[in-house]
Amino acid sequence: EDQVTQSPEALRLQEGESSSLNCSYTVSGLRGLFWYRQDPGKGPEFLFTLYSAGEEKEKERLKATLTKKESFLHITAPKPEDSATYLCAVQKLGGSYIPTFGRGTSLIVHP
Amino acid sequence: NAGVTQTPKFQVLKTGQSMTLQCAQDMNHEYMSWYRQDPGMGLRLIHYSVGAGITDQGEVPNGYNVSRSTTEDFPLRLLSAAPSQTSVYFCASSYWTANTGELFFGEGSRLTVL
Repeated sequence: EDQVTQSPEALRLQEGESSSLNCSYTVSGLRGLFWYRQDPGKGPEFLFTLYSAGEEKEKERLKATLTKKESFLHITAPKPEDSATYLCAVQKLGGSYIPTFGRGTSLIVHP
Repeated sequence: NAGVTQTPKFQVLKTGQSMTLQCAQDMNHEYMSWYRQDPGMGLRLIHYSVGAGITDQGEVPNGYNVSRSTTEDFPLRLLSAAPSQTSVYFCASSYWTANTGELFFGEGSRLTVL
């Protein structure tokens, strides 16, 4: 069974304190891994797609990386406006292209 | 460009009532889907569609119906509301190619069933 596990469930950081969020997955062949950001009371917003191990994508203070079993979302020198829930989803090779979502990591950055 | 529009944003129902959550997109996306999001459960797929006239069940379809008569619209119907259907519902769309993981979400519809 395809599984996507995100850790930690919640993370509190001080402004400027860099850290990483983890998304581990078990699928029979990865087609793509996706990161989303969700602000309270809003729908998720797409951030990155990663397709193969070793690939990296960056956007402002965020950098997503991918290995054969997990992805990391690195947050460098976070600001309070980076506070949100970050969701990971995977899409497997063959069959349905429907992505499977993890439960998310809730990030709070204190000023 | 409005993106994905959901209505209503908030709704309170009594057990047994029926209602329809509306979803419309103006991006000519083939793929549309409905998710529910509950605390600690993440996003769970209810139903999806890969084009007009084509729908299929997701992970948690019981108690919900969908139809796709046009590319733009994908309404979700609750047939007889139950308290277990209290949740936040999101509609999402994308191109039906390798980009189905790059979803555009609506703002959500918060439903309470008493």
